Amino acid sequence: GENVEQHPSTLSVQEGDSAVIKCTYSDSASNYFPWYKQELGKRPQLIIDIRSNVGEKKDQRIAVTLNKTAKHFSLHITETQPEDSAVYFCAAWTGGFKTIFGAGTRLFVKA
Amino acid sequence: GAVVSQHPSWVICKSGTSVKIECRSLDFQATTMFWYRQFPKQSLMLMATSNEGSKATYEQGVEKDKFLINHASLTLSTLTVTSAHPEDSSFYICSATIAGGSYNEQFFGPGTRLTVL
Repeated sequence: GENVEQHPSTLSVQEGDSAVIKCTYSDSASNYFPWYKQELGKRPQLIIDIRSNVGEKKDQRIAVTLNKTAKHFSLHITETQPEDSAVYFCAAWTGGFKTIFGAGTRLFVKA
Repeated sequence: GAVVSQHPSWVICKSGTSVKIECRSLDFQATTMFWYRQFPKQSLMLMATSNEGSKATYEQGVEKDKFLINHASLTLSTLTVTSAHPEDSSFYICSATIAGGSYNEQFFGPGTRLTVL
């Protein structure tokens, strides 16, 4: 069935270091991969997304890469700051016209 | 633009009662609305997909008679939790896609926290 796996579940980094979160998806028909940041009790916020016709996308300190062959996509955050601490979810829009979310990564940025 | 609201933001009810949650697109017409449930420290789990004027499509394991979804207009979808029990306590979030827009870009509501006593 449709599935998105996300690793790691928890990530702790020192302020200024980089953070990388990796996801894999199962549905080869998936063509849109958004990443969300969620703070406690709040709605998910779209931070970056990538479509299947692109291999990489960057927006300031955030970048996403996509390997369609391997069905992998990753989020890279550089120069992390304490305010980056939150839960991050990867997701994939599937051929079934719905979004499947990964399990989430709790990121802690230590000052 | 692309604002989605939910009402109420939180609700506490007694076991056995029914609760209705509204999801509205404030400044756009929504082709499709999605309902998610999120338990503490867990991911968003899709419950159902609804399109205006048609029956909702429920995900496997979601009881359609317990979670009634009505999508009466292009700007309003409602989720009714019938005969709620403590295990239904959760954070319910809706999202919507824009009619005529990118069909897979979703805009999320702020969520409704349901506590069943």
